[in-house]
Amino acid sequence: DSGVTQTPKHLITATGQRVTLRCSPRSGDLSVYWYQQSLDQGLQFLIQYYNGEERAKGNILERFSAQQFPDLHSELNLSSLELGDSALYFCASSVYLLGDTQYFGPGTRLTVL
Amino acid sequence: DQQVKQNSPSLSVQEGRISILNCDYTNSMFDYFLWYKKYPAEGPTFLISISSIKDKNEDGRFTVFLNKSAKHLSLHIVPSQPGDSAVYFCAASEANFGNEKLTFGTGTRLTIIP
Repeated sequence: DSGVTQTPKHLITATGQRVTLRCSPRSGDLSVYWYQQSLDQGLQFLIQYYNGEERAKGNILERFSAQQFPDLHSELNLSSLELGDSALYFCASSVYLLGDTQYFGPGTRLTVL
Repeated sequence: DQQVKQNSPSLSVQEGRISILNCDYTNSMFDYFLWYKKYPAEGPTFLISISSIKDKNEDGRFTVFLNKSAKHLSLHIVPSQPGDSAVYFCAASEANFGNEKLTFGTGTRLTIIP
């Protein structure tokens, strides 16, 4: 158990809908990262928050957004869902920034029908 | 552009023998490297890491070697056990603020044969 929790574990929805994925980092970790793992691609970085502020963006679609709250939990919002958004979404957290190990949650499997 | 490459999609090793997983990278700004192990339907589990100032790091049965001039790292598992069967991902990050994200390889599926 990494100490990172993610809910829900599974999510099935229809195209055009909006969903919210939730992540609670390990106790004491200030940095949260979101990654997407599609069938045909490896783990791809989406976005990072550090102590409530957006820090870095990867190849995140404009339909996707995220935030980190004062209690340090984070939410990833996916809207106008398309079939291609079906993937595993992982959250990771770390204490510091540079050269620090990221610990991953169990992931949320999103299926868009 | 695949900056981190794991050229072997799969590897089979006899139980008790050494497993060697390889990883190559192209971005010379990478200076922190990690190996993760992943079971189906679970998140990646951190195994071992190495900073670019070192060329070897050991933790129990796991040893990571880094060859900066060749931009190559490898993970040695010895002795290999059946529970080691999983997908192994190599990952790298830069020591630049704002670039702490991990860049992952595509993974190598390791199967330990009893």
